[in-house]
Amino acid sequence: GAGVSQSPSNKVTEKGKDVELRCDPISGHTALYWYRQSLGQGLEFLIYFQGNSAPDKSGLPSDRFSAERTGGSVSTLTIQRTQQEDSAVYLCASSLFVDGYTFGSGTRLTVV
Amino acid sequence: RKEVEQDPGPFNVPEGATVAFNCTYSNSASQSFFWYRQDCRKEPKLLMSVYSSGNEDGRFTAQLNRASQYISLLIRDSKLSDSATYLCVVYNFNKFYFGSGTKLNVKP
Repeated sequence: GAGVSQSPSNKVTEKGKDVELRCDPISGHTALYWYRQSLGQGLEFLIYFQGNSAPDKSGLPSDRFSAERTGGSVSTLTIQRTQQEDSAVYLCASSLFVDGYTFGSGTRLTVV
Repeated sequence: RKEVEQDPGPFNVPEGATVAFNCTYSNSASQSFFWYRQDCRKEPKLLMSVYSSGNEDGRFTAQLNRASQYISLLIRDSKLSDSATYLCVVYNFNKFYFGSGTKLNVKP
């Protein structure tokens, strides 16, 4: 597609449930990043995929968070046993070159 | 210490004013620098890259000072539509580090 696509755009879930967030990067972009942004806060790095290399998971806040990227394209971020503090906007970005970094419009997650 | 630090603002300026933001970064080996703009409840979008020699795009001028490890963004003749949060971004060994942003409010 023309841009980075994320789904769902909004997700409300009950505390304790698992959620899956999807990111479709721009075709051909080898790098894919996940961030989260709490209301009024900056971007918090979560995880980074580059080609076939092992992902950089150093930003994942706990073992309830995991992500995978299948076939070097679509990525899924999974949050298990969601907590209220997981409520945030989850942003995905992809790039081919350093200055071609493009964000999706994000998934707004609300844990109630 | 954070990788990238910015004054959160807000900067409240009248239309037509000139306003400047600075951003400091901690890693002297940082490779590339950018300014992103984020509108309320929207995703960040690239405003401009920052080159070593400084660069200009219309009313916007970006500067890099490697010796003092800061980058700056100057906006001339502010418009109401410039109201947004401006994020300083530093690229360092495959990671993008985002500042928490500086909020700009341009008033009529």
